Amino acid sequence: GDSVTQMEGPVTLSEEAFLTINCTYTATGYPSLFWYVQYPGEGLQLLLKATKADDKGSNKGFEATYRKETTSFHLEKGSVQVSDSAVYFCALSDRPNDMRFGAGTRLTVKP
Amino acid sequence: DTEVTQTPKHLVMGMTNKKSLKCEQHMGHRAMYWYKQKAKKPPELMFVYSYEKLSINESVPSRFSPECPNSSLLNLHLHALQPEDSALYLCASSQVGTSGRNFYNEQFFGPGTRLTVL
Repeated sequence: GDSVTQMEGPVTLSEEAFLTINCTYTATGYPSLFWYVQYPGEGLQLLLKATKADDKGSNKGFEATYRKETTSFHLEKGSVQVSDSAVYFCALSDRPNDMRFGAGTRLTVKP
Repeated sequence: DTEVTQTPKHLVMGMTNKKSLKCEQHMGHRAMYWYKQKAKKPPELMFVYSYEKLSINESVPSRFSPECPNSSLLNLHLHALQPEDSALYLCASSQVGTSGRNFYNEQFFGPGTRLTVL
């Protein structure tokens, strides 16, 4: 079945470090891909999305490119801040009203 | 308005209590969802409503009873819960997806209700 695999956490970085969180997917069709972020004590917020191959989603300095050839959608940010500390979920949807989440990666950024 | 609201924020209940969780959105979305999220886990889908009709029930125990009174509101009625039902309950909404499109819609999540069953 369709699934998302993302890198195990937790990830701990110093402020201004470069961030990569790996995400790969398995899908029979042509899914839309998403990154959600969950700050402590809150619900999930959509961070960015991409709906077709080679699309780049971007928001708040975060970027991810839909790579069909490697079935990947890695999240990157050039310079993380303490306020980026959160849990990040990669997700896909390839049918109506359906969303499959990865296990989540906890990021801690230290000053 | 791109907000999904949920009440209450926190709920503590005994195993014999009856309580309800409420969710509201005013984005004109006609698909609404209930998820359960345990600590350090991703959300697990419980129910999907499409055009106010239940379209997906992920084999959820009958002690959870969803209701969609209108296109903006979604309730989750709780009765005779078990301690293992303690979790964060998330509501989400989206535009209704249709087969044959070449993209699928994002879901917008509320802040959740933190439920503790004693």
